[in-house]
Amino acid sequence: DTAVSQTPKYLVTQMGNDKSIKCEQNLGHDTMYWYKQDSKKFLKIMFSYNNKELIINETVPNRFSPKSPDKAHLNLHINSLELGDSAVYFCASSQFLASETQYFGPGTRLLVL
Amino acid sequence: AQKITQTQPGMFVQEKEAVTLDCTYDTSDPSYGLFWYKQPSSGEMIFLIYQGSYDQQNATEGRYSLNFQKARKSANLVISASQLGDSAMYFCAMREGRGSTLGRLYFGRGTQLTVWP
Repeated sequence: DTAVSQTPKYLVTQMGNDKSIKCEQNLGHDTMYWYKQDSKKFLKIMFSYNNKELIINETVPNRFSPKSPDKAHLNLHINSLELGDSAVYFCASSQFLASETQYFGPGTRLLVL
Repeated sequence: AQKITQTQPGMFVQEKEAVTLDCTYDTSDPSYGLFWYKQPSSGEMIFLIYQGSYDQQNATEGRYSLNFQKARKSANLVISASQLGDSAMYFCAMREGRGSTLGRLYFGRGTQLTVWP
């Protein structure tokens, strides 16, 4: 069973479109995260949620909006996609905010044309 | 200032040899955690090892060990008996203990390790 899953795995879209990436974890964890990995492989946190409450909201354009319908899901919606949004987006989860381990999903490769 | 510094963009090691990947960190928080992740060419992020700032002993997980030198603020990853499958990008990361940033992982730029036969 996949612990942290993301859909879709690949997303190719045009500039200006709106798209969503879904994330689900079946580990019973309280905390979920979104990270962005740019073309130079640099990983940076975007958001974190703890028990459906937004905890970390990094300096991210307003076009990015996370939504956590329940503890097991954290979705990322992106409006008006731009070329610079092309990246790999990773979802992760941990048991608690201060847990020793964050488990990552397989990543969603977004390409904006 | 960068929280995590990995000064080796690329490293090469022969199969069965040991290799050390360097990582230094910067924090004024007395409570923090240090992590290493592996990212193979397939792209997933695989957790390898964790060291807490108050842990007395260096962490070990199979062929991975973390050489934690607190005074030097370094957390080097040692891979013993390298295997071809160890070829990947390796990321060092840190989590600080303060409330407002709790849970956030700061990543280094990564080291691309290539294991050759």
